[in-house]
Amino acid sequence: GDSVTQMEGPVTLSEEAFLTINCTYTATGYPSLFWYVQYPGEGLQLLLKATKADDKGSNKGFEATYRKETTSFHLEKGSVQVSDSAVYFCALTSNTNAGKSTFGDGTTLTVKP
Amino acid sequence: ETGVTQSPTHLIKTRGQQVTLRCSSQSGHNTVSWYQQALGQGPQFIFQYYREEENGRGNFPPRFSGLQFPNYSSELNVNALELDDSALYLCASSGRTVHTDYGYTFGSGTRLTVV
Repeated sequence: GDSVTQMEGPVTLSEEAFLTINCTYTATGYPSLFWYVQYPGEGLQLLLKATKADDKGSNKGFEATYRKETTSFHLEKGSVQVSDSAVYFCALTSNTNAGKSTFGDGTTLTVKP
Repeated sequence: ETGVTQSPTHLIKTRGQQVTLRCSSQSGHNTVSWYQQALGQGPQFIFQYYREEENGRGNFPPRFSGLQFPNYSSELNVNALELDDSALYLCASSGRTVHTDYGYTFGSGTRLTVV
Protein backbone atom coordinates (compact mmCIF):
# COMPACT_ATOMS: atom_id res chain seq x y z
CA GLY A 1 0.00 0.00 0.00
CA ASP A 2 0.87 3.67 -0.08
CA SER A 3 3.22 5.03 2.56
CA VAL A 4 5.10 8.23 3.42
CA THR A 5 8.25 8.40 5.52
CA GLN A 6 9.46 11.66 6.99
CA MET A 7 12.71 12.40 8.74
CA GLU A 8 12.34 12.09 12.47
CA GLY A 9 12.20 15.23 14.54
CA PRO A 10 12.17 17.39 16.34
CA VAL A 11 14.25 19.84 14.37
CA THR A 12 15.59 22.94 16.12
CA LEU A 13 17.16 25.76 14.12
CA SER A 14 18.26 29.31 14.69
CA GLU A 15 16.51 32.10 12.83
CA GLU A 16 17.78 32.54 9.24
CA ALA A 17 19.16 28.99 9.09
CA PHE A 18 18.56 26.71 6.10
CA LEU A 19 15.84 24.10 6.48
CA THR A 20 15.53 20.66 4.92
CA ILE A 21 12.89 18.12 5.94
CA ASN A 22 13.22 14.84 4.10
CA CYS A 23 10.24 12.94 2.74
CA THR A 24 10.17 9.72 0.74
CA TYR A 25 7.17 7.80 -0.46
CA THR A 26 5.89 4.49 -1.80
CA ALA A 27 2.84 4.51 -4.01
CA THR A 28 1.10 2.74 -6.86
CA GLY A 29 0.40 4.77 -9.94
CA TYR A 30 1.40 8.42 -10.21
CA PRO A 31 0.69 10.21 -6.94
CA SER A 32 0.28 13.89 -6.26
CA LEU A 33 2.51 15.09 -3.43
CA PHE A 34 1.79 17.68 -0.75
CA TRP A 35 3.27 19.44 2.24
CA TYR A 36 0.90 20.55 4.98
CA VAL A 37 1.70 22.65 8.06
CA GLN A 38 -0.04 22.45 11.43
CA TYR A 39 0.25 25.23 13.97
CA PRO A 40 -0.55 24.52 17.64
CA GLY A 41 -4.25 23.99 18.24
CA GLU A 42 -5.14 24.20 14.56
CA GLY A 43 -5.93 21.92 11.66
CA LEU A 44 -3.60 21.29 8.76
CA GLN A 45 -3.01 23.94 6.12
CA LEU A 46 -1.88 23.14 2.60
CA LEU A 47 1.61 24.62 2.14
CA LEU A 48 2.53 23.46 -1.37
CA LYS A 49 1.95 20.71 -3.90
CA ALA A 50 3.32 19.01 -6.99
CA THR A 51 1.30 16.79 -9.26
CA LYS A 52 3.87 15.24 -11.60
CA ALA A 53 7.54 14.32 -11.78
CA ASP A 54 10.02 17.23 -11.77
CA ASP A 55 7.32 19.74 -10.73
CA LYS A 56 8.44 22.20 -8.06
CA GLY A 57 5.88 23.39 -5.56
CA SER A 58 6.55 26.66 -3.74
CA ASN A 59 4.86 28.94 -1.23
CA LYS A 60 5.95 31.43 1.46
CA GLY A 61 9.63 30.77 0.73
CA PHE A 62 9.24 26.99 1.04
CA GLU A 63 9.81 24.73 -1.93
CA ALA A 64 9.88 21.03 -2.77
CA THR A 65 10.62 19.15 -6.00
CA TYR A 66 8.85 15.94 -7.02
CA ARG A 67 11.66 13.44 -7.69
CA LYS A 68 10.27 10.26 -9.18
CA GLU A 69 13.65 8.57 -9.55
CA THR A 70 14.33 8.83 -5.82
CA THR A 71 10.63 8.82 -4.76
CA SER A 72 11.27 11.93 -2.71
CA PHE A 73 9.69 15.31 -2.01
CA HIS A 74 12.02 17.10 0.40
CA LEU A 75 10.90 20.42 1.88
CA GLU A 76 13.40 23.30 1.89
CA LYS A 77 13.55 26.93 2.95
CA GLY A 78 16.56 29.15 2.64
CA SER A 79 16.03 31.26 5.77
CA VAL A 80 13.60 30.21 8.48
CA GLN A 81 11.78 32.55 10.84
CA VAL A 82 10.42 32.06 14.35
CA SER A 83 6.93 32.11 12.85
CA ASP A 84 7.76 28.96 10.85
CA SER A 85 7.73 26.91 14.06
CA ALA A 86 5.09 24.23 13.49
CA VAL A 87 4.60 20.58 12.57
CA TYR A 88 5.11 19.76 8.89
CA PHE A 89 3.42 16.79 7.20
CA CYS A 90 4.28 15.23 3.88
CA ALA A 91 1.37 13.53 2.11
CA LEU A 92 0.43 11.83 -1.13
CA THR A 93 -2.77 11.16 -3.02
CA SER A 94 -2.61 8.29 -5.46
CA ASN A 95 -4.69 8.36 -8.61
CA THR A 96 -5.45 4.68 -8.05
CA ASN A 97 -7.13 5.49 -4.73
CA ALA A 98 -8.35 9.02 -5.25
CA GLY A 99 -10.50 9.06 -2.13
CA LYS A 100 -7.62 8.86 0.27
CA SER A 101 -4.50 10.78 1.20
CA THR A 102 -1.65 9.12 3.07
CA PHE A 103 0.31 11.24 5.54
CA GLY A 104 3.69 10.94 7.18
CA ASP A 105 3.97 11.21 10.95
CA GLY A 106 5.04 14.84 10.86
CA THR A 107 8.23 16.71 11.72
CA THR A 108 8.21 19.31 14.47
CA LEU A 109 10.23 22.42 13.67
CA THR A 110 11.24 24.90 16.34
CA VAL A 111 13.01 28.10 15.27
CA LYS A 112 14.81 30.05 17.98
CA PRO A 113 15.54 33.79 17.75
CA GLU B 1 -15.16 32.36 1.24
CA THR B 2 -15.82 30.45 4.44
CA GLY B 3 -13.48 27.69 5.49
CA VAL B 4 -14.22 24.31 7.05
CA THR B 5 -16.02 24.53 10.37
CA GLN B 6 -16.11 21.69 12.91
CA SER B 7 -18.10 21.30 16.10
CA PRO B 8 -17.65 20.81 18.93
CA THR B 9 -14.01 21.79 19.44
CA HIS B 10 -13.56 19.59 22.49
CA LEU B 11 -15.52 16.64 23.84
CA ILE B 12 -15.16 14.21 26.73
CA LYS B 13 -17.05 10.92 26.58
CA THR B 14 -17.17 7.74 28.61
CA ARG B 15 -16.13 4.38 27.19
CA GLY B 16 -19.09 2.66 25.55
CA GLN B 17 -20.93 5.87 24.72
CA GLN B 18 -21.71 7.19 21.24
CA VAL B 19 -20.56 10.49 19.75
CA THR B 20 -21.47 12.63 16.74
CA LEU B 21 -19.05 15.14 15.27
CA ARG B 22 -20.12 17.75 12.74
CA CYS B 23 -18.48 19.48 9.81
CA SER B 24 -19.47 22.24 7.40
CA SER B 25 -17.40 22.12 4.24
CA GLN B 26 -15.86 25.08 2.47
CA SER B 27 -18.15 26.87 0.05
CA GLY B 28 -18.01 25.24 -3.39
CA HIS B 29 -16.53 21.97 -2.10
CA ASN B 30 -18.64 18.85 -2.58
CA THR B 31 -16.32 16.21 -1.13
CA VAL B 32 -15.73 15.69 2.59
CA SER B 33 -13.14 13.41 4.17
CA TRP B 34 -12.65 12.51 7.82
CA TYR B 35 -9.29 11.78 9.42
CA GLN B 36 -8.22 10.62 12.86
CA GLN B 37 -5.00 12.11 14.23
CA ALA B 38 -3.56 10.47 17.32
CA LEU B 39 -1.08 12.44 19.39
CA GLY B 40 2.29 12.68 17.67
CA GLN B 41 1.12 10.96 14.49
CA GLY B 42 -0.08 11.93 11.05
CA PRO B 43 -3.76 11.89 10.12
CA GLN B 44 -5.26 8.49 9.28
CA PHE B 45 -8.00 8.30 6.65
CA ILE B 46 -11.39 7.19 8.00
CA PHE B 47 -13.67 7.72 4.98
CA GLN B 48 -14.73 10.15 2.28
CA TYR B 49 -18.17 11.26 1.11
CA TYR B 50 -19.06 12.60 -2.30
CA ARG B 51 -22.62 13.52 -3.26
CA GLU B 52 -23.95 11.91 -0.08
CA GLU B 53 -22.35 8.53 -0.84
CA GLU B 54 -19.34 6.94 0.85
CA ASN B 55 -16.53 7.10 -1.69
CA GLY B 56 -13.69 5.29 0.05
CA ARG B 57 -12.90 3.95 3.49
CA GLY B 58 -9.76 3.37 5.51
CA ASN B 59 -9.02 0.62 8.03
CA PHE B 60 -11.60 1.61 10.61
CA PRO B 61 -14.30 -0.69 12.05
CA PRO B 62 -17.99 -0.33 11.16
CA ARG B 63 -18.72 1.46 14.43
CA PHE B 64 -17.25 4.49 12.64
CA SER B 65 -19.96 5.73 10.30
CA GLY B 66 -20.80 8.93 8.51
CA LEU B 67 -23.31 10.97 6.62
CA GLN B 68 -23.17 13.74 4.06
CA PHE B 69 -26.12 16.07 3.59
CA PRO B 70 -27.39 17.82 0.43
CA ASN B 71 -25.59 21.04 1.48
CA TYR B 72 -22.35 18.96 1.62
CA SER B 73 -22.04 19.21 5.40
CA SER B 74 -21.16 15.97 7.12
CA GLU B 75 -21.30 14.00 10.36
CA LEU B 76 -18.98 11.41 11.83
CA ASN B 77 -20.57 8.97 14.25
CA VAL B 78 -18.65 6.65 16.51
CA ASN B 79 -20.46 3.98 18.51
CA ALA B 80 -19.24 1.98 21.50
CA LEU B 81 -16.37 4.34 22.19
CA GLU B 82 -13.05 2.86 23.24
CA LEU B 83 -10.16 4.52 25.04
CA ASP B 84 -8.06 4.30 21.84
CA ASP B 85 -10.61 6.48 20.04
CA SER B 86 -9.19 9.47 21.91
CA ALA B 87 -7.71 11.66 19.18
CA LEU B 88 -8.12 14.80 17.12
CA TYR B 89 -10.75 14.24 14.42
CA LEU B 90 -10.21 16.32 11.32
CA CYS B 91 -12.68 17.12 8.61
CA ALA B 92 -11.32 18.07 5.19
CA SER B 93 -13.17 19.30 2.16
CA SER B 94 -12.12 19.46 -1.47
CA GLY B 95 -13.56 20.02 -4.91
CA ARG B 96 -13.64 16.68 -6.60
CA THR B 97 -11.35 16.24 -9.59
CA VAL B 98 -10.31 13.16 -11.49
CA HIS B 99 -6.80 13.24 -10.05
CA THR B 100 -7.59 14.80 -6.64
CA ASP B 101 -4.56 17.00 -7.04
CA TYR B 102 -5.75 20.16 -5.37
CA GLY B 103 -5.28 19.12 -1.77
CA TYR B 104 -7.62 19.57 1.14
CA THR B 105 -8.95 22.42 3.20
CA PHE B 106 -8.95 21.21 6.80
CA GLY B 107 -11.02 22.29 9.75
CA SER B 108 -9.43 22.91 13.14
CA GLY B 109 -10.63 19.55 14.41
CA THR B 110 -12.57 18.10 17.32
CA ARG B 111 -10.49 16.89 20.24
CA LEU B 112 -12.23 13.76 21.59
CA THR B 113 -11.19 12.32 24.93
CA VAL B 114 -12.63 8.97 25.99
CA VAL B 115 -12.37 8.17 29.70
